[in-house]
Amino acid sequence: AQKVTQAQTEISVVEKEDVTLDCVYETRDTTYYLFWYKQPPSGELVFLIRRNSFDEQNEISGRYSWNFQKSTSSFNFTITASQVVDSAVYFCAVYSGNTGKLIFGQGTTLQVKP
Amino acid sequence: GAVVSQHPSWVICKSGTSVKIECRSLDFQATTMFWYRQFPKQSLMLMATSNEGSKATYEQGVEKDKFLINHASLTLSTLTVTSAHPEDSSFYICSASRVHGDFNLAKNIQYFGAGTRLSVL
Repeated sequence: AQKVTQAQTEISVVEKEDVTLDCVYETRDTTYYLFWYKQPPSGELVFLIRRNSFDEQNEISGRYSWNFQKSTSSFNFTITASQVVDSAVYFCAVYSGNTGKLIFGQGTTLQVKP
Repeated sequence: GAVVSQHPSWVICKSGTSVKIECRSLDFQATTMFWYRQFPKQSLMLMATSNEGSKATYEQGVEKDKFLINHASLTLSTLTVTSAHPEDSSFYICSASRVHGDFNLAKNIQYFGAGTRLSVL
């Protein structure tokens, strides 16, 4: 079975601080995909990144970066120089090709204060 | 690209009535659509998976007679909450996926609609 744990329920930072959102996953699949989605107050889930299990290279996209450590089953997300617009709920998820399902973590609410 | 439209965004209805929610992929053909339910401050729970032209596959504990799903075309899926009751009040979100790259590896990205907030009085 797949499971995603986001241990941080809520994080509050001041603008321009860096913040890391933790994600630990469990899966029995040898091939799987990891995702991060952002859910702003409007409710829509915004796709941020997809990473397959064979690619452990870290990725950077602007102020966002992701650290995939297969050895510890973690896929952490860092926002550099946070902004108020980054305030949202962030979900980590694991996709199983065997089940065709996307399993979400509980989400981390990030509040960036001006 | 990859825009998913969900309508309505907000609906209030009386107990006992039925409510239909539409999910459309605007600029791509969706091989599969998913319906999720989200309670306040909680995660998304998958309700069902639907493939165009076939019956939806419901998750354990989801009443298929209460939550009717129709996926009549590659761009439209509907969720009908029948005989709605207050406990059905929730945030319902749909998503649509298409295959990227190597199909055998099932590289699907789900694109989400904006969600529908249902309040049953």
